[in-house]
Amino acid sequence: QQPVQSPQAVILREGEDAVINCSSSKALYSVHWYRQKHGEAPVFLMILLKGGEQKGHDKISASFNEKKQQSSLYLTASQLSYSGTYFCGTELSGAGSYQLTFGKGTKLSVIP
Amino acid sequence: DAGVTQSPTHLIKTRGQHVTLRCSPISGHKSVSWYQQVLGQGPQFIFQYYEKEERGRGNFPDRFSARQFPNYSSELNVNALLLGDSALYLCASSLQVGDTEAFFGQGTRLTVV
Repeated sequence: QQPVQSPQAVILREGEDAVINCSSSKALYSVHWYRQKHGEAPVFLMILLKGGEQKGHDKISASFNEKKQQSSLYLTASQLSYSGTYFCGTELSGAGSYQLTFGKGTKLSVIP
Repeated sequence: DAGVTQSPTHLIKTRGQHVTLRCSPISGHKSVSWYQQVLGQGPQFIFQYYEKEERGRGNFPDRFSARQFPNYSSELNVNALLLGDSALYLCASSLQVGDTEAFFGQGTRLTVV
């Protein structure tokens, strides 16, 4: 039930935009997005609950398409600080317990 | 406020030995989850505890066990260590179960030789 993230890696120049996708074959209850820099702990970005909502935080936003069981993370006008590996964590509907299953990650590199 | 603290930060053990990893959640957080992260992969869920009770268990062998104490701190124990247990072990704390953000500690880097 591990979600599939795409792309696996992406290189951006400062100011460019990027989209990272997270897809599941199972019905999802929630999707959590984290960013992890090398040698550091994952840092929470946002959580989306089923209902097709979209959230935003500064220039980073995300959407959750309940019908497609897919979430997308949008990074606009990228900054050097956006570099890192982005993970989506999914919680299944009716799981009965809080268990996040993470994808393999998308490595984002922002260059000057 | 102090974040999630884990100890030790690094550990080297020999195959067959036992290890105990510790985690102190953020003050006021009652839920602690443990994850194993192998290099180049996402964190893999091991356990979740809430109010000292196990609320979730991932697909790990019985060599892995955990518990949560009255002060909400937690221990992860691994018996009969294998080379494949070498990984970064992350602890995450949250206010409640589900629907909420989890804050990760810096992790314990375990190397089994």
